[in-house]
Amino acid sequence: DQQVKQNSPSLSVQEGRISILNCDYTNSMFDYFLWYKKYPAEGPTFLISISSIKDKNEDGRFTVFLNKSAKHLSLHIVPSQPGDSAVYFCAAANTGNQFYFGTGTSLTVIP
Amino acid sequence: ETGVTQSPTHLIKTRGQQVTLRCSSQSGHNTVSWYQQALGQGPQFIFQYYREEENGRGNFPPRFSGLQFPNYSSELNVNALELDDSALYLCASSLTWDRGLHFGPGTRLTVT
Repeated sequence: DQQVKQNSPSLSVQEGRISILNCDYTNSMFDYFLWYKKYPAEGPTFLISISSIKDKNEDGRFTVFLNKSAKHLSLHIVPSQPGDSAVYFCAAANTGNQFYFGTGTSLTVIP
Repeated sequence: ETGVTQSPTHLIKTRGQQVTLRCSSQSGHNTVSWYQQALGQGPQFIFQYYREEENGRGNFPPRFSGLQFPNYSSELNVNALELDDSALYLCASSLTWDRGLHFGPGTRLTVT
């Protein structure tokens, strides 16, 4: 049973535009959320986190939005750059130790 | 600051054999988690160690076991290997959740 879902396997965006990656979860007990990006042959790289007491967290070009009532979070990348092309995973946990990951969205930023 | 390292990078084993994967955590991180990532899937939580004690376990059978050492490095042991154990095994160290799990490059295990 997939508790964290990323329904878009892939996304293409023009360089300089906004990339929006979406993630849905089913467990209302989840309080901690992370976003990662992964390049081939490398481990996932941590991007940004958010807890359930917030609805937005920003770090440079990356902003994560959390809608607890809809059990939905999204990652916005503005402006998108070719180096952002990677697979993006969202992850969620209720205790901060066991994170459940989505299946990933492959982002391609077109120069 | 040294990142998370894992060894070996690749491994080929035969069904029924045993394997040990190793992980050195990022400097100062006292928590290590292990994840299994099958092709086309997201990482799945195996277990976590905090100060040498298991601190949570995912839905994996007992033939998956682990250790954490006083220097916070860790081992993942898998007994009686099955074909479905073929995957990328990721180790991640962390200090607090909000700073994220810091993953190593992974060990690619192939069971034939």
